Amino acid sequence: GALVYQYPRRTICKSGTSMRMECQAVGFQATSVAWYRQSPQKTFELIALSTVNSAIKYEQNFTQEKFPISHPNLSFSSMTVLNAYLEDRGLYLCGASLGAETLYFGSGTRLTVL
Amino acid sequence: QQKVQQSPESLSVPEGGMASLNCTSSDRNFQYFWWYRQHSGEGPKALMSIFSDGDKKEGRFTAHLNKASLHVSLHIRDSQPSDSALYFCAASEQAGSFNKLTFGAGTRLAVCP
Repeated sequence: GALVYQYPRRTICKSGTSMRMECQAVGFQATSVAWYRQSPQKTFELIALSTVNSAIKYEQNFTQEKFPISHPNLSFSSMTVLNAYLEDRGLYLCGASLGAETLYFGSGTRLTVL
Repeated sequence: QQKVQQSPESLSVPEGGMASLNCTSSDRNFQYFWWYRQHSGEGPKALMSIFSDGDKKEGRFTAHLNKASLHVSLHIRDSQPSDSALYFCAASEQAGSFNKLTFGAGTRLAVCP
C-alpha cells in the first residue's frame, strides 16, 4: 500500500519559536498533497492543499506567512509553523494522494508548545 | 452545525460481534465518502471509500451508502480487539486530485475480549 512518512514524530517548542516538519511519499509520485491539523479534541482542519501543476492553496484561517510550505516535488513536502503559540498545538498530518481516490496519511508530527 | 455528523460517539462490542457506525452529511454537494481508522498515537488509515449507492465489502468491513439520504454506514463483522480505535467518516465534493476532505468528529470503538 501507499506509504507516507512524516518526521519528526513529535516536537516541543517554546512559545514564539518556529519548527519545521517534513513529509515524504514513498514508492509513488503523489498527485496531490494536503496538510491537516488534528486538534487535541480530535477534530480535523485542512491547512493547505497542493496538486500537480497548481499553486499551494491555503484554507481560511491558515496563511502562507504563518505556515509556509515547501514543495520541490510531490513526493516531498515540508511545512514550518512560524511563531508557534498554544493554539497551534496538535497533530499535523500530511496526506498524499495517487490521484485516483484516496488520501493516505502519515503518522503525523505532534506539536507541543510550552 | 458540522457538515459531517457521526454516531454514536462511542461504541462497545464484544469480540466476535458486529460493530455498526453511522455517518450523515448535511451538505448535498458531498458525493464521495471514506472511512478512516485511527489508532492511538498514529495517523488516520484509510479503510475504504464508497462513491455509489449500495454496499461495498472488503473483508470484514462493509460500507453502505444511500445518496438520497446522504447516509453512509460502516459495519465490522467478527470484531477483534485490534479494531478498537477512533473511526472517522470523511466526505468530499470531488474524488481525484482535488479531494478536500471534511471529517466527522469520530466514533470511538472498543472491542472487549
